Amino acid sequence: QQQVKQSPQSLIVQKGGISIINCAYENTAFDYFPWYQQFPGKGPALLIAIRPDVSEKKEGRFTISFNKSAKQFSLHIMDSQPGDSATYFCAAVDSNYQLIWGAGTKLIIKP
Amino acid sequence: NAGVTQTPKFQVLKTGQSMTLQCAQDMNHEYMSWYRQDPGMGLRLIHYSVGAGITDQGEVPNGYNVSRSTTEDFPLRLLSAAPSQTSVYFCASSYDSSGMADTQYFGPGTRLTVL
Repeated sequence: QQQVKQSPQSLIVQKGGISIINCAYENTAFDYFPWYQQFPGKGPALLIAIRPDVSEKKEGRFTISFNKSAKQFSLHIMDSQPGDSATYFCAAVDSNYQLIWGAGTKLIIKP
Repeated sequence: NAGVTQTPKFQVLKTGQSMTLQCAQDMNHEYMSWYRQDPGMGLRLIHYSVGAGITDQGEVPNGYNVSRSTTEDFPLRLLSAAPSQTSVYFCASSYDSSGMADTQYFGPGTRLTVL
């Protein structure tokens, strides 16, 4: 049972466009929602994270939007660049502080 | 700081062989964990440790053992390798378990193939 559902599985965006990746969860006990970025041959690295008492968090070109009532959150990458091409994972932290991961989205930014 | 290091980077095993994946961190982190990453499934937690001498099972612990004799090292042992254990394995660490979500650092991974 996948507790965090992530879509799409893959995404191709033109340079300068907006990349949007969506995640949904069921467990209302989740209380922290990080996004990780992973380049080929590397481990994941924390990109940005949000707590459920906030509806939006922005860091540079990266924004998390959070809808607590719908149990959904999304990552927006503005002005997408070829260097943003990577696999992105959403995750949620449960009451035991364990990370529950989405399946990942492979993002390709076309120049 | 070297951060989180893992060895080897690649490994091929035959079914039934055993081996140990090494993980070390030089950040004095209390919390360390092992994940496996399979296509289309994200990362799944195998085992974790909240400090030296303390380990616990994650989501997919079967076929793996861990120990934590020092703060720095957290080896993962495959007891009798099976093709289902073909995966990429990541070790991660964080300052403590309560902060693990926002301070977790990952190693570069070990790509394991079991024939």
